[in-house]
Amino acid sequence: DAGITQSPRYKITETGRQVTLMCHQTWSHSYMFWYRQDLGHGLRLIYYSAAADITDKGEVPDGYVVSRSKTENFPLTLESATRSQTSVYFCASSDTGTRGQFFGPGTRLTVL
Amino acid sequence: AQRVTQPEKLLSVFKGAPVELKCNYSYSGSPELFWYVQYSRQRLQLLLRHISRESIKGFTADLNKGETSFHLKKPFAQEEDSAMYYCALSQGAQKLVFGQGTRLTINP
Repeated sequence: DAGITQSPRYKITETGRQVTLMCHQTWSHSYMFWYRQDLGHGLRLIYYSAAADITDKGEVPDGYVVSRSKTENFPLTLESATRSQTSVYFCASSDTGTRGQFFGPGTRLTVL
Repeated sequence: AQRVTQPEKLLSVFKGAPVELKCNYSYSGSPELFWYVQYSRQRLQLLLRHISRESIKGFTADLNKGETSFHLKKPFAQEEDSAMYYCALSQGAQKLVFGQGTRLTINP
């Protein structure tokens, strides 16, 4: 599914640094999402967006910032990375209807 | 509160045996439920939607509103079915709430 991509795929950073994870989709889906995947927690929603310039918090938004100036891009920024933000981050998109969400390949982030 | 519970973190069965991955949900409205699968080091893929009542890779899932369940079943497990399986409930605005996942291992 080349329709949704994430970069970088792997990132190692240090505590306190700012990190931006990129997400790009080519389907023109209205909705985009950011999740983190952790053992014992499954997937938890960080932020989501219903359209360009419309974003809202999910279950675990603290420490993260998002923007959506264009429909196809939905970057996630960790303003000051902490070790607890070490995780695998998945971006997803969907259109209206009941076809579910389509996921990117994930970014494995390690905060030292 | 909307919640999805997958009571088994790990499930191990032998090749050729039946498989059932359990999913229970709590939701006050009319639920939309999904099963996603994640093979080793791959992205999550949509496996089933309850609304389509389809069978994918031999898997089926029936929505039981009385028991608030959406269990995933396959009559004869194959080694390639080994993966992480997530049950998910639509919250509206296209949002999904996921269960904690069940890691399925098929033994040869």
